[in-house]
Amino acid sequence: EVQLMESGGGLVKAGGSLRLSCAASGFTFDTYSMAWVRQAPVRGLEWVSSITSTSSHTYYADSMKGRFTFSRDNAKNSLYLHMNSLRAEDTAVYYCVRLFNGHYDHWGQGVLVTVSS
Amino acid sequence: EIVLTQSPGTLSLSPGEGATLSCRASQSVNSEYLAWYQQKPGQAPRLLIYAASSRATGIPDRFSGSGSGTDFTLTISRLEPEDFAVYYCQQYGNSPRYSFGQGTKLEIK
Repeated sequence: EVQLMESGGGLVKAGGSLRLSCAASGFTFDTYSMAWVRQAPVRGLEWVSSITSTSSHTYYADSMKGRFTFSRDNAKNSLYLHMNSLRAEDTAVYYCVRLFNGHYDHWGQGVLVTVSS
Repeated sequence: EIVLTQSPGTLSLSPGEGATLSCRASQSVNSEYLAWYQQKPGQAPRLLIYAASSRATGIPDRFSGSGSGTDFTLTISRLEPEDFAVYYCQQYGNSPRYSFGQGTKLEIK
């Protein structure tokens, strides 16, 4: 069974930093691209970033470029999202998702990030 | 930038009825990269349909997807109580790489 378990969320002040982690299991992790998707009440579902299976390419939504860094450790079946210069509008539930042919076929339960202004 | 617009915003129906949800793209979308998700309160979204018309693993056959180009449809043939949720369409393309519609809430009438 595919499982994705996020951790690291919490309350942070605007301008601060946070690191999210995602532990993956139940599939051959190093053969899949992965992504983060977030959901805020006002803005709905929003793609944040994606990374290829070997970390050869990483992509970011425009509003995250230069602030967020997405990485993976295939030896540990883990993903990491380093978020810097956080803004109030980054407040959302962040989901770790598995990518397959352009769609998200498995989702974690999500982790809440709250940025206070 | 590809924008996905879903309609209606809210759909009120009774169990047993059929539902038709629309997703319209501002530019043509490759059908291979159009998906639908279901989200219930307090839960993560769940993949229903990928490549516009292929059901994901474990999805009942009352769910079907169709469409091409800029117009896509999710059809639920006979609503069950557990089908009342929010539905999102999503595309994979170039700009932005992935985008979602704003969602259609399917509520019990």
